[in-house]
Amino acid sequence: EPEVTQTPSHQVTQMGQEVILRCVPISNHLYFYWYRQILGQKVEFLVSFYNNEISEKSEIFDDQFSVERPDGSNFTLKIRSTKLEDSAMYFCASSGNGPSLDGYTFGSGTRLTVV
Amino acid sequence: GESVGLHLPTLSVQEGDNSIINCAYSNSASDYFIWYKQESGKGPQFIIDIRSNMDKRQGQRVTVLLNKTVKHLSLQIAATQPGDSAVYFCAEPENSGGSNYKLTFGKGTLLTVNP
Repeated sequence: EPEVTQTPSHQVTQMGQEVILRCVPISNHLYFYWYRQILGQKVEFLVSFYNNEISEKSEIFDDQFSVERPDGSNFTLKIRSTKLEDSAMYFCASSGNGPSLDGYTFGSGTRLTVV
Repeated sequence: GESVGLHLPTLSVQEGDNSIINCAYSNSASDYFIWYKQESGKGPQFIIDIRSNMDKRQGQRVTVLLNKTVKHLSLQIAATQPGDSAVYFCAEPENSGGSNYKLTFGKGTLLTVNP
């Protein structure tokens, strides 16, 4: 079964440092997403990406965040200057075309800890 | 993983019992809903979806019921097994154009199955 792969599984970083979270979406998918989940809370939408540009972003996705598809397989989330409150699980997802979202697939996440 | 339960509604059942997990929504114009299962350390996994032109949809051991009058959604799991232990979220997809969907997740319910 196709998978969305995320690396690293856990990242610890100093406050103020830049981090890049990496994702390999499912190969024939066209739409890519980042979500985050603060411990004990619900999953929140950050950004969607299609055709090499951002389609929609939430109010959480401020100027400290950016996304990129640097090649044909990777999709990255960069946080420029991390804050303590950026500590969370970050999930990448991808989806294809079609009326049902049963193919909207999440990765296993990267746990980001900012110290 | 255990601290997630401190912030979530919880449901504890005996193995073999049926489980019912509930979700309320606020937008009467919502027309598509999805249930996700999230196991510890993993991303959300699609279980079943339902559109607003249906009241009920069945899958393998799962049934989703939609009551549009009271804006309520439920997930029923038959003959609950230890492997069903997870956090369950309802989610509402919002179309951002084409097949690009932003998911808005509910708060989640932690299901614990006792052997």
